[in-house]
Amino acid sequence: AQSVTQLDSQVPVFEEAPVELRCNYSSSVSVYLFWYVQYPNQGLQLLLKYLSGSTLVKGINGFEAEFNKSQTSFHLRKPSVHISDTAEYFCAVSPSPAGFQKLVFGTGTRLLVSP
Amino acid sequence: SAVISQKPSRDICQRGTSLTIQCQVDSQVTMMFWYRQQPGQSLTLIATANQGSEATYESGFVIDKFPISRPNLTFSTLTVSNMSPEDSSIYLCSATGAGTDTQYFGPGTRLTVL
Repeated sequence: AQSVTQLDSQVPVFEEAPVELRCNYSSSVSVYLFWYVQYPNQGLQLLLKYLSGSTLVKGINGFEAEFNKSQTSFHLRKPSVHISDTAEYFCAVSPSPAGFQKLVFGTGTRLLVSP
Repeated sequence: SAVISQKPSRDICQRGTSLTIQCQVDSQVTMMFWYRQQPGQSLTLIATANQGSEATYESGFVIDKFPISRPNLTFSTLTVSNMSPEDSSIYLCSATGAGTDTQYFGPGTRLTVL
């Protein structure tokens, strides 16, 4: 079975500062990895995904993440955050390939960007 | 990508009643799912909605409490039955399209049970 750990429940940063949101996963099989963002009172929006290939994945809104198989990590980064990035960020994993299977989510990290 | 809509967007219900949530996708999809997000928590999968057959429920969720229908490839409903305040959550529908391994989510239905 897969599991996802997001160690930081909340990350406060100042506007224009860099940020890293940590995600570690546990799995005995190959996985697909995802980051979703949830803005206040909204549903989930896909930020980026790793399926295969290059370990550095670029997503929307200037975010990127790096898949590190040896460390079983998929940390999310942004070099300069904006106030509008304030949201909840969820890391998720599903086994691969063998067709799509259910996602397992981490507990989420709340990013708080202040001026 | 798939665009997913849900109705209602929010509702306030009385204890003991039932609410049916609708999920509509703008294109044919292979798999549809229903999740629950309790206040301040992550998403928990309730069930996989199977087209033309009974849904597949995760541990801790039963059909009598959360009956699900999926009459075609683009539509599904989730009913929250005999509600109690503990059912107050956001319920999200998601779907994956043919040939894709990405799951897209609806905006969610925010349910409050008094």
